[in-house]
Amino acid sequence: SAVISQKPSRDICQRGTSLTIQCQVDSQVTMMFWYRQQPGQSLTLIATANQGSEATYESGFVIDKFPISRPNLTFSTLTVSNMSPEDSSIYLCSVPRDSRTDTQYFGPGTRLTVL
Amino acid sequence: GENVEQHPSTLSVQEGDSAVIKCTYSDSASNYFPWYKQELGKRPQLIIDIRSNVGEKKDQRIAVTLNKTAKHFSLHITETQPEDSAVYFCAASKESGSARQLTFGSGTQLTVLP
Repeated sequence: SAVISQKPSRDICQRGTSLTIQCQVDSQVTMMFWYRQQPGQSLTLIATANQGSEATYESGFVIDKFPISRPNLTFSTLTVSNMSPEDSSIYLCSVPRDSRTDTQYFGPGTRLTVL
Repeated sequence: GENVEQHPSTLSVQEGDSAVIKCTYSDSASNYFPWYKQELGKRPQLIIDIRSNVGEKKDQRIAVTLNKTAKHFSLHITETQPEDSAVYFCAASKESGSARQLTFGSGTQLTVLP
């Protein structure tokens, strides 16, 4: 399985600030996905990060609030902008195991608390 | 878009008993159905998955069944053990371009009582 790391693992931030979360994979992948998991809730897809093109956002999520970068096939960042306490969540990236399978693996997540 | 409903939200069983979690999906084009286990404070871990060309799949104590006509699929855990206690999520997806975007159910908190 792919080895996925995320930085930071957790952070406590002040309202109105921004935080950039990094996701690094040990192999090249075409697609990377960013999810949000609010406290005690399920996982909701924020966007799909494509290398070399704009990210594709799901309904309810916009680029101004969650800008994404995908500079190469092993790395992506998600920024949570102008944070409010409602943004307190776990943010996870996921990647397909390889191009031949549907299996997706998740990174360890970034636990964000906004005061 | 796809909508996945999952029941029950909580489930308590005695050690050694079986547990069943059920999910329904709305999009008949969905053709891939994974199940994830998430222990407290940890990432979701894939435990089993099934594709729409298969009706049942088993891996040791875990099995998944799929009824395409009714658009529902279920997770079965036999001989439950305390380490099976976790939150379980079902998901559904269809291929969109070159990506598979997962839609998750709301989760089931399984507690196995010793």
